[in-house]
Amino acid sequence: ETGVTQSPTHLIKTRGQQVTLRCSSQSGHNTVSWYQQALGQGPQFIFQYYREEENGRGNFPPRFSGLQFPNYSSELNVNALELDDSALYLCASTPAGGRYEQYFGPGTRLTVT
Amino acid sequence: GEDVEQSLFLSVREGDSSVINCTYTDSSSTYLYWYKQEPGAGLQLLTYIFSNMDMKQDQRLTVLLNKKDKHLSLRIADTQTGDSAIYFCAESYNNAGNMLTFGGGTRLMVKP
Repeated sequence: ETGVTQSPTHLIKTRGQQVTLRCSSQSGHNTVSWYQQALGQGPQFIFQYYREEENGRGNFPPRFSGLQFPNYSSELNVNALELDDSALYLCASTPAGGRYEQYFGPGTRLTVT
Repeated sequence: GEDVEQSLFLSVREGDSSVINCTYTDSSSTYLYWYKQEPGAGLQLLTYIFSNMDMKQDQRLTVLLNKKDKHLSLRIADTQTGDSAIYFCAESYNNAGNMLTFGGGTRLMVKP
């Protein structure tokens, strides 16, 4: 049990729509990272937020955006959904002072049809 | 760019030792990690090792790091059926240590 929760568990969207995924981490976890895991592959880094500011970004287009809130929750927004966006989206949080540890939530399975 | 490679599959008998291997390319890696993923679940952090260490042991888990060859291994002693899962190797590739590059995962199957 990592204390990181994500919602919803599963989601089905249509190509071209927009989606918002949510993550809630433990108190004191001031860094949150988002990863995309396609079926049968390892997770790929999307971006990271530290103290509500984007702190790094992987090779994902601008239609992937995020927010981090003062209450240790965060959002991943994806606009203009494409079929290839179908994946498990994982949120990971890092405790303040534990900068090398990332604790993952159970993920949100997004299916784009 | 960064690249992390793992073999796809490993099958062992219950009670045997399992050794899962990983190679990476980024010589500036700071930390290297092992995560476990069970079906339909998120990733569980098993252990991690700082790049200036050669070995780390944690109960049934032993991590070996050969920095010269950029080779990382995870040994699971007395493997149990509950160890059946996908194991991911990951490296951190920036000074913040929070942005991970993952391998493709090794599926471990433990036969009774």
